[in-house]
Amino acid sequence: DTEVTQTPKHLVMGMTNKKSLKCEQHMGHRAMYWYKQKAKKPPELMFVYSYEKLSINESVPSRFSPECPNSSLLNLHLHALQPEDSALYLCASSQDSSGGDTGELFFGEGSRLTVL
Amino acid sequence: KNQVEQSPQSLIILEGKNCTLQCNYTVSPFSNLRWYKQDTGRGPVSLTIMTFSENTKSNGRYTATLDADTKQSSLHITASQLSDSASYICVVSTGGANNLFFGTGTRLTVIP
Repeated sequence: DTEVTQTPKHLVMGMTNKKSLKCEQHMGHRAMYWYKQKAKKPPELMFVYSYEKLSINESVPSRFSPECPNSSLLNLHLHALQPEDSALYLCASSQDSSGGDTGELFFGEGSRLTVL
Repeated sequence: KNQVEQSPQSLIILEGKNCTLQCNYTVSPFSNLRWYKQDTGRGPVSLTIMTFSENTKSNGRYTATLDADTKQSSLHITASQLSDSASYICVVSTGGANNLFFGTGTRLTVIP
């Protein structure tokens, strides 16, 4: 099984809503990532979890709150978002986040978020 | 400054034809270079990963080349198919999966 599964595929929310994006992998990877991708732009790194601990937070606003309940799961909690937060949110995993391997990244299908 | 530049920005070709996409980078130190294919609204899928010592790597009809001296890479697609229509993203790593520099991609459209 080489899949990274993201749910939901599509999410529409208002600016006052609280919602969550979920990501799951069963490849035994110890690093998981959230990326944000706007149309016709490359993915931008938001958060990195390594061995279930947050290792990188790329100055992401606090209205995005990541959570890693265990090594297979990664959540992104959303609260009080703005319309400009509408984007494709990609989860990814890799064997390790350090330089010890080629760091091949496996992406999920993404969650398309629309904030009204 | 670490940068990855891709050309062309977009490309339209006839089904069955070949094409080559270019990637120039200034990333240092260099660890590896990846090419990803991304269908619209979907997650990127890895095509190849090349380290410093690898000049050429193939994955079916996709062949990537790397010239680490000139800091250039190319992705050659042979006998294109309609399903090749996607964005192709070049990504350079300084080490590990959390040190990646993304190019802005080449949007390829294959028409019948």
